[in-house]
Amino acid sequence: QLQLQESGPGLVKPSETLSLTCTVSGGSISSYYWGWIRQPPGKGLEWIGSVYYSGSTYSNPSLESRVTISIDTSKKEFSLKLSSVSAADTAVYYCAREVDYGGKQPLDHWGQGMLVTVSS
Amino acid sequence: DIQMTQFPSTLSASVGDRVTITCRASQSISTWLAWYQQKPGKAPKFLIYRASSLEGGVPSRFSGSGSGTTFTLTISSLQPDDFATYYCQQYDSYPYTFGQGTKLDIK
Repeated sequence: QLQLQESGPGLVKPSETLSLTCTVSGGSISSYYWGWIRQPPGKGLEWIGSVYYSGSTYSNPSLESRVTISIDTSKKEFSLKLSSVSAADTAVYYCAREVDYGGKQPLDHWGQGMLVTVSS
Repeated sequence: DIQMTQFPSTLSASVGDRVTITCRASQSISTWLAWYQQKPGKAPKFLIYRASSLEGGVPSRFSGSGSGTTFTLTISSLQPDDFATYYCQQYDSYPYTFGQGTKLDIK
């Protein structure tokens, strides 16, 4: 049974860098895209970006200048860094797997999510 | 970016009702559309892909249809476990985008 688990600090100060890691267990990290999605309290879902197991990445243009996504297949982990955070970045952050169904990839498995609060 | 618009934003219904949620894309996405169910405090759950294909384990009372720019999610006979928020998502191209959600609550 594939499981994803987000980890990292739950509180980040304004202007600093948010860093999260997603650990994959119960399945392979290879041959998949892996994504980050966030959800501000009481609001909808926003795709942040994705990383392929080979290391190629795609980011939301609205966040691209602040986002770094990387992957370590030996540790079965992928990571998100979001720089220069503000209160608007307070959200539940989810990691997820993108599964290839017919050539494109919906998000079939999600982590439980982690609330990250930006506050001094 | 492809904009996804869902309606209604809130839907009140009773157990046993048939309900339909609509999702519109700002440009054609063929059938590259997914639906998710989210309950409070939980991660979204993957329900439907390619607009109409049920993910394994999803009850058959859920169905999806549509192509191009207009899509629907139908629940044929609401069960107590179905009261939740539903999101559509296009995965035709990055950046992936989601509808704003439809909250289905008990009448």
